[in-house]
Amino acid sequence: AQKITQTQPGMFVQEKEAVTLDCTYDTSDPSYGLFWYKQPSSGEMIFLIYQGSYDQQNATEGRYSLNFQKARKSANLVISASQLGDSAMYFCAMREPDNYGQNFVFGPGTRLSVLP
Amino acid sequence: SAVISQKPSRDICQRGTSLTIQCQVDSQVTMMFWYRQQPGQSLTLIATANQGSEATYESGFVIDKFPISRPNLTFSTLTVSNMSPEDSSIYLCSVLDRAYEQYFGPGTRLTVT
Repeated sequence: AQKITQTQPGMFVQEKEAVTLDCTYDTSDPSYGLFWYKQPSSGEMIFLIYQGSYDQQNATEGRYSLNFQKARKSANLVISASQLGDSAMYFCAMREPDNYGQNFVFGPGTRLSVLP
Repeated sequence: SAVISQKPSRDICQRGTSLTIQCQVDSQVTMMFWYRQQPGQSLTLIATANQGSEATYESGFVIDKFPISRPNLTFSTLTVSNMSPEDSSIYLCSVLDRAYEQYFGPGTRLTVT
């Protein structure tokens, strides 16, 4: 079974509008972390935001916020006031403990295109 | 956050040859990881590079094909051995900081002809 699901292969948003990228996850461990990364065409992976499973409040970083709904196992990324430079692939990822320390698994990604 | 560099940034190699990718971190970190990203795909973890012990490989990846070294807490290498066109990918190293946040290097774009 997929541990990280991103159901939107591609998304379009108008510049200056807000957009939500979906992510659902599957784990039985109570201690885990959720991440969002941005990958522009250059290929680098840019860390955007992190949410720990015990964090009481939703994480925010500038124009990025994470809508964490623990009971529903969802961790959607909200980008406010989209900019043309936001056009990229976005990956949701989860960290959970395993026998060797920490394991990371990535979702398939969502390609966001911001329209002028 | 840690600053991570990788060498080379890209390379074009002939099948049957090997390439060693270097990953350097500006601070000491316990956990370093190597990932592969095939064209149009998500990231797949190859192995966890442990300082002072053998790397831990994920299912589908073996040491003979992807030998890893981790001589100290700031440096690691990944070798892609006996390359074939299917090995054409972006290879990324990453580190885990004390807050369990993961940061990536800029990646090595490998093309095998």
